[in-house]
Amino acid sequence: EAQVTQNPRYLITVTGKKLTVTCSQNMNHEYMSWYRQDPGLGLRQIYYSMNVEVTDKGDVPEGYKVSRKEKRNFPLILESPSPNQTSLYFCASSLYQRGIQETQYFGPGTRLLVL
Amino acid sequence: GENVEQHPSTLSVQEGDSAVIKCTYSDSASNYFPWYKQELGKRPQLIIDIRSNVGEKKDQRIAVTLNKTAKHFSLHITETQPEDSAVYFCAAPGEKLTFGTGTRLTIIP
Repeated sequence: EAQVTQNPRYLITVTGKKLTVTCSQNMNHEYMSWYRQDPGLGLRQIYYSMNVEVTDKGDVPEGYKVSRKEKRNFPLILESPSPNQTSLYFCASSLYQRGIQETQYFGPGTRLLVL
Repeated sequence: GENVEQHPSTLSVQEGDSAVIKCTYSDSASNYFPWYKQELGKRPQLIIDIRSNVGEKKDQRIAVTLNKTAKHFSLHITETQPEDSAVYFCAAPGEKLTFGTGTRLTIIP
């Protein structure tokens, strides 16, 4: 089954404790990205990657890191989480053709609470 | 970068009536315009998309229209049903994908 998976689905942590949210897709998509969703602000892109070893900042990259060592995986790293990073996070993947991402396939979401 | 504005932010319609959501974009090079639906507690999922070589696309009760000159595209839902209640997002892809801020649609039985 074609899918995007994220883990964990729910996470409660404390300020400053490093964490990683994993994302994996089995559709051989070139493009992967991370979004955070906050009430009234829609989906804001954190980082994106157009292929292996190629990553770039989205609209709200501060406080986050990513890596793309393999095509299928795109982990999101919070080196020192702060309460303002409490949010719902989505990973997504898509084909990337002629400079355009095609249909975005979203993971199930990770709800993060930073105390 | 791309700027996408979506209106209205909330919309309530009587069951059976039509709903229209509009998005404007800034990058004239954009040529692919998707709409996503997000039900409560779930992930966004594509419901319809349109490419710039056509002005309208229809899929049963859902249609999308595109006006490239005015740089706006709209989602039309006809004969609305309770299961249409959700948050709807437009997007304007470039290298960075930019989503609108969403429209919460409520269908009143």
